[in-house]
Amino acid sequence: SAVISQKPSRDICQRGTSLTIQCQVDSQVTMMFWYRQQPGQSLTLIATANQGSEATYESGFVIDKFPISRPNLTFSTLTVSNMSPEDSSIYLCSALTVGYTFGSGTRLTVV
Amino acid sequence: GIQVEQSPPDLILQEGANSTLRCNFSDSVNNLQWFHQNPWGQLINLFYIPSGTKQNGRLSATTVATERYSLLYISSSQTTDSGVYFCAAGYNFNKFYFGSGTKLNVKP
Repeated sequence: SAVISQKPSRDICQRGTSLTIQCQVDSQVTMMFWYRQQPGQSLTLIATANQGSEATYESGFVIDKFPISRPNLTFSTLTVSNMSPEDSSIYLCSALTVGYTFGSGTRLTVV
Repeated sequence: GIQVEQSPPDLILQEGANSTLRCNFSDSVNNLQWFHQNPWGQLINLFYIPSGTKQNGRLSATTVATERYSLLYISSSQTTDSGVYFCAAGYNFNKFYFGSGTKLNVKP
């Protein structure tokens, strides 16, 4: 199965700033996904990252807050914009290969 | 969307014990997967099992799609099995819906 490199692994950010998370897949994949996992909670899908078109966002998530890029079939970024403490979560990217493969996650703390 | 319920929410085992984790889903799905999230947050895909039974070492899984449930069996548990087990269900690899997880603690 594919290997996904996600970075940064963790960060502590000031409120009001933005953080961009990167995911690199070691093979071409059609579909990539971004999830949020709030402390002690399950995973919630933020959006599906489509190559060559705009991302498809789930209810409750908007492009202005979570802009996503997908410039090619192996790479995607998620930006968490204008952060507040409520954005403190683990953010995970995943790719559809044989089943789902996940990156190692980005543990974000907003202070 | 699909409702995915997992039970039990928490499980404490003595090393060497066996356990069964359950996942119920609200709709007909053609994709179901089990994941293990280790204490460092890494999610590992255990099984892709939309139907039938699969085994991988001490772990096995069974999905009865017509009755909308899946079971994950852990035999001879080890401390390294600790973490959270998630099942996720969906259609055609789009929009997987995750359950709330079973937090497993295996004590030595």
